Formats: sequence, C-alpha cells, structure tokens
Amino acid sequence: DAKTTQPPSMDCAEGRAANLPCNHSTISGNEYVYWYRQIHSQGPQYIIHGLKNNETNEMASLIITEDRKSSTLILPHATLRDTAVYYCIVRVAFWGGNAGKSTFGDGTTLTVKP
Amino acid sequence: DTEVTQTPKHLVMGMTNKKSLKCEQHMGHRAMYWYKQKAKKPPELMFVYSYEKLSINESVPSRFSPECPNSSLLNLHLHALQPEDSALYLCASSGPLKNTEAFFGQGTRLTVV
Repeated sequence: DAKTTQPPSMDCAEGRAANLPCNHSTISGNEYVYWYRQIHSQGPQYIIHGLKNNETNEMASLIITEDRKSSTLILPHATLRDTAVYYCIVRVAFWGGNAGKSTFGDGTTLTVKP
Repeated sequence: DTEVTQTPKHLVMGMTNKKSLKCEQHMGHRAMYWYKQKAKKPPELMFVYSYEKLSINESVPSRFSPECPNSSLLNLHLHALQPEDSALYLCASSGPLKNTEAFFGQGTRLTVV
C-alpha cells in the first residue's frame, strides 16, 4: 500500500471549513484513498473514500487531484466535536483479507476552537 | 446493526495470567482484524482473518493467539504478556464486497502489570 504524508496538526475555527491535506505521490491505479478519524480513546470512524472522482457524503467532501497524488478532506462546518486525529489511508480496492493490509500513517490532529 | 462490539472495555492482567479479548459483529462481514494502538501512535495491524482463516499475521509474538470460531466472532487470547504490551486493542471488520470500509470497535484498553 502507498505511503501517505499528512501535517501533524491543524487548527480550525468553529463553524469554518476544515481542509485537511494528504500527499500520496506513490499511489497506484487500483488504490483508493480512505479517510478515518479517531476521537480520543475511541475506535477509528470511517469518513469517506474515493478512487479518482470527488466524493461527498453527509460528513465530508473528498477532493482528489487529477494526478491522484494528493487529496483534501473538507469538513464544511467544523464543530468542537470534530476535534480528532484524522488518518488518510491509501489501499487497494477493498479493505478485506488477502487484498492486503491498510497502514495508518501518523495522521493530522485537528483542533476545532470556539 | 453497524456495530463492532468489543469486550471487555478495560482489562488489567498480570504477566502470568491468561485472558481473552472478544470481538463480535453481525453485519455479515467476512474479514476481521486485530490492531494494536499505543498512546499517541496510529493503529498497527496485527492479524487479518478472511472467511474465518488467518490470512495475515504481522509477525506478532506467539503470546498473542488469535481465533475466529465463526464468521461473527473474533478472539484474541493473551498469555504471558509483558508490560510493554499495554495498549488499546482494536477490532475491525469489513464486508466481502469491493470498496467497503472497515468498521472499528471501541477497543479494549489493556494494562499489563
């Protein structure tokens, strides 16, 4: 699985958009970009994933560059409850078994401030 | 039901004890995982089961012994652990279809004394 690089920390004002970048310059054509977050001492929570098109769901939007070497997770209106560590993971088509492992990078600690 | 349930939530054990962690899901997922997470570090994969068979063992010491008795259950048997094994142990599962995400449990906080 491709390696990812994320900034170690970011701050965001409550109510503003939080834009979290991720570099994955060695991504392969069959690898997806997944985003998870982990609120303190809880299990990681799935946010969104995509292959090459931009994706949006009720939690966030995922913007993937045309060359697929980087992506940005956008939380449109950050709240205090969005304070967490955000992980960008690149892996082959699906998360299961023999398709390989999913390696978590160090992630970005997002702090949303009042 | 989109939950992965882990028990117990907290566990304190001595270095000579034998204990087990349990993970359960009822989403029909056929892949299940154990991760270990030390404080302020990302989760690290330990084991992957696919269709109840062990498919990945990330060179985990034998004092950790996984077991998948059926498609809904995953156990991690612990024996003769060391204090450095103290960590948050996370279980996850994912579906058989492509592009499906993994669902994580809330973890078991293990302390070895």
